[in-house]
Amino acid sequence: GAGVSQSPSNKVTEKGKDVELRCDPISGHTALYWYRQSLGQGLEFLIYFQGNSAPDKSGLPSDRFSAERTGGSVSTLTIQRTQQEDSAVYLCASSLMDGIYEQYFGPGTRLTVT
Amino acid sequence: AQSVTQLDSQVPVFEEAPVELRCNYSSSVSVYLFWYVQYPNQGLQLLLKYLSGSTLVKGINGFEAEFNKSQTSFHLRKPSVHISDTAEYFCAGGNQGGKLIFGQGTELSVKP
Repeated sequence: GAGVSQSPSNKVTEKGKDVELRCDPISGHTALYWYRQSLGQGLEFLIYFQGNSAPDKSGLPSDRFSAERTGGSVSTLTIQRTQQEDSAVYLCASSLMDGIYEQYFGPGTRLTVT
Repeated sequence: AQSVTQLDSQVPVFEEAPVELRCNYSSSVSVYLFWYVQYPNQGLQLLLKYLSGSTLVKGINGFEAEFNKSQTSFHLRKPSVHISDTAEYFCAGGNQGGKLIFGQGTELSVKP
């Protein structure tokens, strides 16, 4: 079956612009996660959605970052007024439920802020 | 603070040799432990996971890991590596909340 998909695969933007990154989770998966992978910081948790519960936003680095999940499926991560330090690979993962269930990762979106 | 530490950033090894990639976790992080592999320009793929029960966990591609509570370790091993095992390996800890705490990664380089 189809895995987690992310778009775009690459995004180059100018400092100060807003960007939107999209994640399509595996059908039927109720939990969705966003992580960021960068050279200096490794893999960092950003935000997590589980069903209809309030999202866990504890990993978002600043109020320029936000995410939503519509209809319990597709998620969009938005970065406003991008900065060079936002350059990273943004990974999305989904799982059947939270906790012990395996997280399946998408290929990522490589964001470059110039 | 929750943390997962991978003790080696790079591990070079010859083909068919055994390998061990080391991982330690803080006792606050973990109920569950995972090893993921990332091949170049690809997403992460689960190798194996420890949830409870037997401390020796077997995964895909001939990898295994041993959970050691007294040493707070979860080292990954393979008795004989192949060129195709060249990749970056991540240890991660999770709990009922779902989010994973990752180590910094270990780059395994298998040479002929």
